[in-house]
Amino acid sequence: AQSVAQPEDQVNVAEGNPLTVKCTYSVSGNPYLFWYVQYPNRGLQFLLKYITGDNLVKGSYGFEAEFNKSQTSFHLKKPSALVSDSALYFCAVRSHGSGNTGKLIFGQGTTLQVKP
Amino acid sequence: NAGVMQNPRHLVRRRGQEARLRCSPMKGHSHVYWYRQLPEEGLKFMVYLQKENIIDESGMPKERFSAEFPKEGPSILRIQQVVRGDSAAYFCASSAQGVNEQYFGPGTRLTVT
Repeated sequence: AQSVAQPEDQVNVAEGNPLTVKCTYSVSGNPYLFWYVQYPNRGLQFLLKYITGDNLVKGSYGFEAEFNKSQTSFHLKKPSALVSDSALYFCAVRSHGSGNTGKLIFGQGTTLQVKP
Repeated sequence: NAGVMQNPRHLVRRRGQEARLRCSPMKGHSHVYWYRQLPEEGLKFMVYLQKENIIDESGMPKERFSAEFPKEGPSILRIQQVVRGDSAAYFCASSAQGVNEQYFGPGTRLTVT
């Protein structure tokens, strides 16, 4: 069965410091991996995706994520956090191949708090 | 290009009533997904539709829930005889053919009293 784990309920960082939000996954076959951000009372905004190719993918708002196949991880990173980055972050996975219908499996979410 | 539209944004129903949630996908998108977010939980897949077809409903509760995406008009998620446990945020997402990322609407927050 496919699953996604975000081991940290909350991550706290100081503004200007680098941030990492962790994600590990379990999926049969090659994964498609995604990060979304949710601000209070809003829908999810797409940040970035890994489909194939370079393990380091760059996305919106200065975020990037590194795909690590051996560790089945896809951690979200940013070199310098902003207070406005404070939000709820979701990692998601889908498998591809025959029978795949494109549904996303989400992690539980990680709240990022960036303090001034 | 307008994003995914959902209405209403907030819906209050008494137990036993029906709830109808609407979703208009982004222009040019033919794939619609519905997800439910219960309090303090992540999003759970419910159903995936293309025009006039249900492709995957493996996440839909077996009773009281139905979904459609007609040839014309928005996709509808219908919940009959609502119960308190149906209180949640319901998100619709859409994608284009051959595109992997899904774009989400603002959600409908259903409260059952």
